[in-house]
Parts: sequence; structure tokens; C-alpha cells
Amino acid sequence: EAGVAQSPRYKIIEKRQSVAFWCNPISGHATLYWYQQILGQGPKLLIQFQNNGVVDDSQLPKDRFSAERLKGVDSTLKIQPAKLEDSAVYLCASSFRTVSGANVLTFGAGSRLTVL
Amino acid sequence: EDQVTQSPEALRLQEGESSSLNCSYTVSGLRGLFWYRQDPGKGPEFLFTLYSAGEEKEKERLKATLTKKESFLHITAPKPEDSATYLCAGSQGAQKLVFGQGTRLTINP
Repeated sequence: EAGVAQSPRYKIIEKRQSVAFWCNPISGHATLYWYQQILGQGPKLLIQFQNNGVVDDSQLPKDRFSAERLKGVDSTLKIQPAKLEDSAVYLCASSFRTVSGANVLTFGAGSRLTVL
Repeated sequence: EDQVTQSPEALRLQEGESSSLNCSYTVSGLRGLFWYRQDPGKGPEFLFTLYSAGEEKEKERLKATLTKKESFLHITAPKPEDSATYLCAGSQGAQKLVFGQGTRLTINP
């Protein structure tokens, strides 16, 4: 099966500029996640969607980050205005639920953002 | 606060030298303990899920085990291609994964 697609793979912007990342999840996966991974750290959840609805956005800096998932499929994550500390890899993942109730996440390759 | 802590941060082994990676967790309503492998420039790749204390799972040279407070990833006779960052994560009831910071493993030939 096709994996999770993300674009662009790399983006370099100046601080205070805006940027958008796109994600296409695995077909049939209802749950979609955006994670932020700063160099040397583990991924941190920014937002989780179940179909079109937001399940958890408690760690999303809402003054500058926004995300949407149109028609329960593709998703975009936007940062406006960007700060130096937003330099990170933005990982998109989608999941199915196992019989035990735990979700197995499949990740995309990520979008690496550098803010100068 | 839900937390996952991995140790060591980095580990360098010789080819064939077995060792273990540790993952300590305090995650309320734990639904599963996950291990992922991440290669440079790639997203994490799923390895194992463990659900209850005493459970073990194996894949090639890797074996994951789970206790009530910790999980271990045992690597037996590793090869250079096992070099990667290994991430541990706890799954909460709301399907959210809380990740540790990872262990960067290097296997020298």
C-alpha cells in the first residue's frame, strides 16, 4: 500500500514569514496526526484529527499554527508568522486501530523546516 | 504528567555485541507501549506494540519486553544496519502517543 505522503521535504524561510505543509494519509485511515520533532528530541504531538474533527490540539501554538483536514483526507499545517524555534521536522502520521484498541501510527518522511 | 524517558541517549557497540535499551514510562491509562525505529532523514517506522506486563515480542535481532514501569529493547548480535534511533512511546486512552527522546544506536563493523 502507498505510504503517508508529505510535501515539501525541505523548506527554508526567514522569521516572520509563513509556510504550509501538506499531508496525504494512507487510504482508509481515519485518524491523522501532525507531530513536531526538534533535532535530538522525540516527536511531540501538535494536533490529532479523527476524520474532519479535531481530537486533540492542546499542544498546538494557536497564535501562529493552524491545521485543517478537508473532507477527512488530506491535511495542511500552516505556520504564520514563523519563529526561529519553529525549526524542526514536521511529521504527519495516520493510523488504524488494532483489536486491542491501541493505534498503530504510520509516519511520512517529514518536512524539514529551517527558520533563519 | 505523562512522561516517557529513554536511556541511554546514545549507545555505540561493536558488531555482535549485544545490549539493551531502556524505556521508563508514567502514562495514565496506558493502552500500549510502542517501539519505533527512525533512520536519518526518515519518519519513524513501527517495530512492536506491547500491551501488558510480561509480554515479549521478537523481530530478527530485536526483542521487546514490558514490565509495569519499563520496557526494554534487547538487541542480540547487532549488525551495522541496526544503527538508527530507537523511539519508545506510550499510547493513552485517547489514542495519543507520548514519545521519549530516543536512543541513538551506532553499530561499528
